Amino acid sequence: KQEVTQIPAALSVPEGENLVLNCSFTDSAIYNLQWFRQDPGKGLTSLLLIQSSQREQTSGRLNASLDKSSGRSTLYIAASQPGDSATYLCAVHNAGKSTFGDGTTLTVKP
Amino acid sequence: NAGVTQTPKFQVLKTGQSMTLQCAQDMNHEYMSWYRQDPGMGLRLIHYSVGAGITDQGEVPNGYNVSRSTTEDFPLRLLSAAPSQTSVYFCASSYGGDATGYTFGSGTRLTVV
Repeated sequence: KQEVTQIPAALSVPEGENLVLNCSFTDSAIYNLQWFRQDPGKGLTSLLLIQSSQREQTSGRLNASLDKSSGRSTLYIAASQPGDSATYLCAVHNAGKSTFGDGTTLTVKP
Repeated sequence: NAGVTQTPKFQVLKTGQSMTLQCAQDMNHEYMSWYRQDPGMGLRLIHYSVGAGITDQGEVPNGYNVSRSTTEDFPLRLLSAAPSQTSVYFCASSYGGDATGYTFGSGTRLTVV
């Protein structure tokens, strides 16, 4: 059974800091990994998708890496802003079946 | 607008009542899924489908039924609602083969009293 763990569960940083969120999974047989953002009371917004054959993806201040053999992914956020405050979820996908981590709740203080 | 549409957005049920949560997508996605999200937790997979006529159970399927008669629609039926089914329900879809990521609906907030 696939299990996804996200560390830390919560993170509070001052504005402008660079930070890393971690995601680990137990079964390396995945098609791809996707990072989402969720604001309180809202749905999920896709941030980055990394195919299993890729090592990383970048979008603006966000960079996600994937090491499938070790079952790890990281989401790097550069120059954090208060608007980045949200819960970040990672999900691994395989043949229509997806497993999510419990998320990291990020607070960026002005 | 292209995307995943969930209805209703909010619902209150009495214990023992049944209802259907609707999910529709207009992106011709093969894969569709239903999740529930409880406070402080990630999403747990209820049921999923890899194409019309094909469904399978996820992590927490008990108390829920699904069917997929068309590519566009994937309704979730609660047979006899229980307070433990109070949750936020999300529907998602993706192209077949996991070639792209998943697009999520805005969710249905269900309360069972």
